[in-house]
Amino acid sequence: DGGITQSPKYLFRKEGQNVTLSCEQNLNHDAMYWYRQDPGQGLRLIYYSQIVNDFQKGDIAEGYSVSREKKESFPLTVTSAQKNPTAFYLCASSIDRSGGAFRNEQFFGPGTRLTVL
Amino acid sequence: ELKVEQNPLFLSMQEGKNYTIYCNYSTTSDRLYWYRQDPGKSLESLFVLLSNGAVKQEGRLMASLDTKARLSTLHITAAVHDLSATYFCAVDLKGGTDKLIFGTGTRLQVFP
Repeated sequence: DGGITQSPKYLFRKEGQNVTLSCEQNLNHDAMYWYRQDPGQGLRLIYYSQIVNDFQKGDIAEGYSVSREKKESFPLTVTSAQKNPTAFYLCASSIDRSGGAFRNEQFFGPGTRLTVL
Repeated sequence: ELKVEQNPLFLSMQEGKNYTIYCNYSTTSDRLYWYRQDPGKSLESLFVLLSNGAVKQEGRLMASLDTKARLSTLHITAAVHDLSATYFCAVDLKGGTDKLIFGTGTRLQVFP
């Protein structure tokens, strides 16, 4: 089945530790995104990538890093520089340009809930 | 600065009643999306509105888009408990950025 997977579902981080969240999609989508959601709040864009080997900062990129070495994968690293990382992290993808897509409907993965101990 | 505002932010309504959620945005766009989020879960796509005057319906929910007024509405007809969730609208920026700008969300609670 086509879709977006995120792992792990739950992640616990100790102070000063870097952790990496996985996001994989098999929808042949060109664009991928990372969002952060705090309890009772909306979505905030961390990073996004429109094509392989390229990515742009979103609104809250400080303390995070990403890579886009493959079309299917867009991992997010939460570094020790991110002082308040406890949140729900959502990955999304959109746009299959090979199909001449003209709409940017984003499809979301199930999310990773990160807690700092 | 681009803004996407939803109102109300919180809506508590009785089963069987009708209500409308509003999504106002401050930039030119002719594409808008509605999503649903259940507590503790991810976002699920509800409606894709791709032109002025677009109207989509699914069950008790109907979404519409007025690009001239920069307004989208999500109308709930005869609410049931299963519709309790948070609803987000998202505006598609023009100019090739591929980004969506999400609204603040409307938390809907339907009670008997």
